[in-house]
Order: sequence, then C-alpha cells, then structure tokens
Amino acid sequence: QKEVEQDPGPLSVPEGAIVSLNCTYSNSAFQYFMWYRQYSRKGPELLMYTYSSGNKEDGRFTAQVDKSSKYISLFIRDSQPSDSATYLCAMKVFGNEKLTFGTGTRLTIIP
Amino acid sequence: NAGVTQTPKFQVLKTGQSMTLQCAQDMNHNSMYWYRQDPGMGLRLIYYSASEGTTDKGEVPNGYNVSRLNKREFSLRLESAAPSQTSVYFCASSEVFADTQYFGPGTRLTVL
Repeated sequence: QKEVEQDPGPLSVPEGAIVSLNCTYSNSAFQYFMWYRQYSRKGPELLMYTYSSGNKEDGRFTAQVDKSSKYISLFIRDSQPSDSATYLCAMKVFGNEKLTFGTGTRLTIIP
Repeated sequence: NAGVTQTPKFQVLKTGQSMTLQCAQDMNHNSMYWYRQDPGMGLRLIYYSASEGTTDKGEVPNGYNVSRLNKREFSLRLESAAPSQTSVYFCASSEVFADTQYFGPGTRLTVL
C-alpha cells in the first residue's frame, strides 16, 4: 500500500464549478501537507501548504486537512480554464527533508 | 533570478550510454533534490543533498549517481542507461526543513 493515495482522474468539470481534489495517507507521522500544481510539460509549483487540521483559504483555493481521518482536500471555487493542470498532494514529517507525493490528479476545466 | 534551471531539456540515449543531467539554483538554498516522474507513479525521490558535500539516497537510487559540485549545482549521472530509466527528471531546491521546494522545468529522457 502506498503511503499517499490520490485518484489520478482525469477529472473534467465545466467552468465556474467547484472542484474537489482529495488524498488519503497512511503515515500518521505526516504533519505538513502541501498541494502542488503542475501545468503540462512544466515543473510542479507550490499552491498551498498547511500543518494543522482544519481549513486554510487563499483566494479561490481552500486546503482542508482532517488528521483523524488521514484525509486532505483541495477545493477550487469558480474554476477557470487556467486551472486546468495536474494537482499533486505532498506530505512530510516534521524535521524530515523528504516529501512524499501523491500520483497527481489531472484536471480539465471546460469553457 | 532564474530559480532552478536544468539542462538539457530533452535527451535520447541508447541502452548502455551514459549522461549527466545538470541542475543549478540561484536562490542560495542549502537543500537540493532529484526526482523522477512516471505515469501512475507520481514524483519519486532519487537522491537529495542537504548541504554542499553531502548526499543521501532517496526512494529509487539504483542506477544513478549524484554530485553536489557546490552550493548552486547538483548533477545526476546515469552510468549505463536502461530503458527503465525513461522518465521526466526534475531537480528541486529548498531551504533546510522548509515547507516549499522549488522545481526546475524538467528533463525528458528517453532510453532506447
């Protein structure tokens, strides 16, 4: 079993819809949670990070962490065609340099 | 400020050939990383370097060697390329124990 599980999609939604992307994990030592966005043929770029349970909001993006269920989510409100990308969740243990990534979910926003 | 740069962008090798992938960062970061990305497998860590002069194995180090030439540069070498090493390779850098890793644009490698 992988430490981090992420549905690879693909996921297609109409413009303006709310998107929900999710990851589950098995290692209870993970304390830092990140979402990266990767456009086609580009490197990943950090979108959001959080280290506590609950919600963190940044513009149209909300990251949600439920440590009791070992479940994290990324919500995108008012989705735009420019949000079309692969979204990767990533996690790490406090004091550890290494990130553990999910496989990524490919998202397409249809105009 | 170019961030993380990688060369080459594309490369085709024959089985058994060797090559070195170059990575440089201009953000004065101590930590640098090499990942490979394959369909359905996500990003997997090959090697990382927490500081100049130190390197450590990641999840998939077999068939690779690395050199942390100085604080800016971290190279990845394939001594005898195999088709299983066909992948997209990403270099990243970060401050020590930082939350953010900054990624380069990647090198697409095909081994025939």
